[in-house]
Amino acid sequence: GEDVEQSLFLSVREGDSSVINCTYTDSSSTYLYWYKQEPGAGLQLLTYIFSNMDMKQDQRLTVLLNKKDKHLSLRIADTQTGDSAIYFCAEQYNQGGKLIFGQGTELSVKP
Amino acid sequence: NAGVTQTPKFRVLKTGQSMTLLCAQDMNHEYMYWYRQDPGMGLRLIHYSVGEGTTAKGEVPDGYNVSRLKKQNFLLGLESAAPSQTSVYFCASSSNSIEQFFGPGTRLTVL
Repeated sequence: GEDVEQSLFLSVREGDSSVINCTYTDSSSTYLYWYKQEPGAGLQLLTYIFSNMDMKQDQRLTVLLNKKDKHLSLRIADTQTGDSAIYFCAEQYNQGGKLIFGQGTELSVKP
Repeated sequence: NAGVTQTPKFRVLKTGQSMTLLCAQDMNHEYMYWYRQDPGMGLRLIHYSVGEGTTAKGEVPDGYNVSRLKKQNFLLGLESAAPSQTSVYFCASSSNSIEQFFGPGTRLTVL
């Protein structure tokens, strides 16, 4: 079945780049997503990439997709303390927008 | 626009009690979703709807029912609550099934 895996924790210093990784199993995924969740809040869509692309850049965010290895990454440049949150990777694998989420990576940014 | 709102924000139930969670969106979105989030796990889809009057099962539908009588509302019902249903429940909506917008969540505890 479909499965999405992420490492659980990442700690970086303010100003450094953060790279959060994700692997997925369903090669028929159409879109892959990155969501951000701050404490006590809902999920905020950060960015998404169509499965026929290999890179997408949006200001400080860069998404890389390696379809062969089923690997997705999110790079945050110049990480700030306000970037501290849980980041979820998700794949959409069929019509209707059904998403399969990873377990989330907690990003801690130290001053 | 209020976006996606959820009622209530918190609730404590006893085992066997019933309740209904309300999700409302004012963006005229066709698609609506109910997820649950448990500690250390990503979100899992309970039920979803691709339009007014339609509903479909997600990954973990057992113990829940849903209704979409009006386009702007998606109701999640628990007929006989169990401790295993203690969770944070998130609703989401989408106009195109690609970008999903999430509500702030409902924290439910079943004793």
